[in-house]
Amino acid sequence: NAGVMQNPRHLVRRRGQEARLRCSPMKGHSHVYWYRQLPEEGLKFMVYLQKENIIDESGMPKERFSAEFPKEGPSILRIQQVVRGDSAAYFCASSLVSLNTGELFFGEGSRLTVL
Amino acid sequence: DQQVKQNSPSLSVQEGRISILNCDYTNSMFDYFLWYKKYPAEGPTFLISISSIKDKNEDGRFTVFLNKSAKHLSLHIVPSQPGDSAVYFCAARAIQGAQKLVFGQGTRLTINP
Repeated sequence: NAGVMQNPRHLVRRRGQEARLRCSPMKGHSHVYWYRQLPEEGLKFMVYLQKENIIDESGMPKERFSAEFPKEGPSILRIQQVVRGDSAAYFCASSLVSLNTGELFFGEGSRLTVL
Repeated sequence: DQQVKQNSPSLSVQEGRISILNCDYTNSMFDYFLWYKKYPAEGPTFLISISSIKDKNEDGRFTVFLNKSAKHLSLHIVPSQPGDSAVYFCAARAIQGAQKLVFGQGTRLTINP
């Protein structure tokens, strides 16, 4: 009974390259959330997706960042032309239903380092 | 604009004693509060929650207290155990924008044997 799976766990990119982070939600979960944690800070909401739909992207930077959750396959968080400030831990979470109870199941995170 | 604040970056408690972690918030539209626990190199795991219509919720060794007038909540762990050593995040959910949680900065709890 696998939990939320994220890969890669660690990713190193040079400035200007692209980063792709993948997230497979828990089995049966159709709601996916992406959060970012900068060093010494709390988690910040980025985007909430359901299958094939972006529901709330109010936390996504306006440029270079995009997310998708296709009908088949994992959710993808894509960062184009990465900069040093993108270095952070990116956490994916999933839930069975809409966030009524507030309980999210988080993955172990993908740690992006931009050189 | 830090809507959820955990003013103590770290806390050290002796094993067997009570650990009290505090959290303050500014947004009166928050209607649900949660505590998450995080070990190094792992994702946060849900610990306990409380609705804004309650002032206390208890689950085993963990109790969360909510003081709405003061916009303050606290997590009590008693007795504290070495395995409780972790970073604890307070989080809140607003009635509008209910699909996202607002997290505090976290408090690193260390339980000393």
